[in-house]
Amino acid sequence: AQSVAQPEDQVNVAEGNPLTVKCTYSVSGNPYLFWYVQYPNRGLQFLLKYITGDNLVKGSYGFEAEFNKSQTSFHLKKPSALVSDSALYFCAVRGMDSNYQLIWGAGTKLIIKP
Amino acid sequence: SAVISQKPSRDICQRGTSLTIQCQVDSQVTMMFWYRQQPGQSLTLIATANQGSEATYESGFVIDKFPISRPNLTFSTLTVSNMSPEDSSIYLCSAVGSQTWGDTQYFGPGTRLTVL
Repeated sequence: AQSVAQPEDQVNVAEGNPLTVKCTYSVSGNPYLFWYVQYPNRGLQFLLKYITGDNLVKGSYGFEAEFNKSQTSFHLKKPSALVSDSALYFCAVRGMDSNYQLIWGAGTKLIIKP
Repeated sequence: SAVISQKPSRDICQRGTSLTIQCQVDSQVTMMFWYRQQPGQSLTLIATANQGSEATYESGFVIDKFPISRPNLTFSTLTVSNMSPEDSSIYLCSAVGSQTWGDTQYFGPGTRLTVL
């Protein structure tokens, strides 16, 4: 069965430090992987995706993610965190044979402290 | 990026009534979806809105409770019928598969529903 795991409910980082939000997946075939962000009382915003090609994907707001096939991971990273990055982050995966449907992780609350 | 609008943005309803949520996309899309989300939690897929045919519902969701329409490639509605307080949630529509977006699913701003 396809699944996505975000092992951390919450991640706390000091402003200016690097941040990592973890995501691992299980899917048959090659995965399509996505990261979304949700600010308080807002809808989900697309950050970045991996379909194929370079394992390091760059996205919006200075975020990037690294696809690691052997570890079935797609961790979200940013070199220097901002207080405004505080939000709820979701990882999602789609199998190649699915009808555009995404399997969602539980979400990770990112808190950046000044 | 995409422009997806939802109406209403929020509503407070009495139990036993129904509410219809509208979702409008600014371009033709292949697929539209409806989700439910409790604040701070993950998304639960209600159904896939199919253009010109009946929606495809996920386990635990039925057409009588959540009738969905999709009359064309840019518009869909979700009705929450015979509401109870347990239906209080955020309802999100999403769309994917336009010529511009490709494989990326984009979301509307959500409808925050409170049932008293």
